Amino acid sequence: QKEVEQDPGPLSVPEGAIVSLNCTYSNSAFQYFMWYRQYSRKGPELLMYTYSSGNKEDGRFTAQVDKSSKYISLFIRDSQPSDSATYLCAMSAVSGTSYGKLTFGQGTILTVHP
Amino acid sequence: EAGVTQFPSHSVIEKGQTVTLRCDPISGHDNLYWYRRVMGKEIKFLLHFVKESKQDESGMPNNRFLAERTGGTYSTLKVQPAELEDSGVYFCASSQDGGSYGYTFGSGTRLTVV
Repeated sequence: QKEVEQDPGPLSVPEGAIVSLNCTYSNSAFQYFMWYRQYSRKGPELLMYTYSSGNKEDGRFTAQVDKSSKYISLFIRDSQPSDSATYLCAMSAVSGTSYGKLTFGQGTILTVHP
Repeated sequence: EAGVTQFPSHSVIEKGQTVTLRCDPISGHDNLYWYRRVMGKEIKFLLHFVKESKQDESGMPNNRFLAERTGGTYSTLKVQPAELEDSGVYFCASSQDGGSYGYTFGSGTRLTVV
């Protein structure tokens, strides 16, 4: 079983829609939770970062972490065609062998059409 | 500031040949990471340098892979001899303090072994 599960999609939505992206994980040691955006032929770019449980908002993006359910989400409001990309969840532990090492989900391919 | 630079951007080699990938991290970043994504799979950790020392190489697939970081600056990843299953995108990332949230990724080297 993978440590991080993410539905690869693809996900296609109309412009202006609310997008919900999700990951589940199995490793209780994960404390840092990140969402990366990756455009074609580019490297992952950090979008949101959350430590432990809770919500974090940045403009049109909201990240949620529910450690009790081992479930994280990224919401994109008023989605734009420029949001079309692959979205990757990633996580790491605070200490131990996994510190500083990211464990990624498979990534969800998102297309926002005008 | 300049980002993380990787080259070549794309390499096509025959099975059994040797390939060397190079990564130039952001200046001043002591932490350098290599990751790999093979087709259809998630991005996976290969190894972590702190300056010139290997902090964690638990993700290196086998002894055909050799990573070095000369003088704590740029890093190379050599694959010798290359096999078909080594095909994928190799990403390098760097960070200042080793924390998992501070990564900057390069655009990757797409390696195709034929």
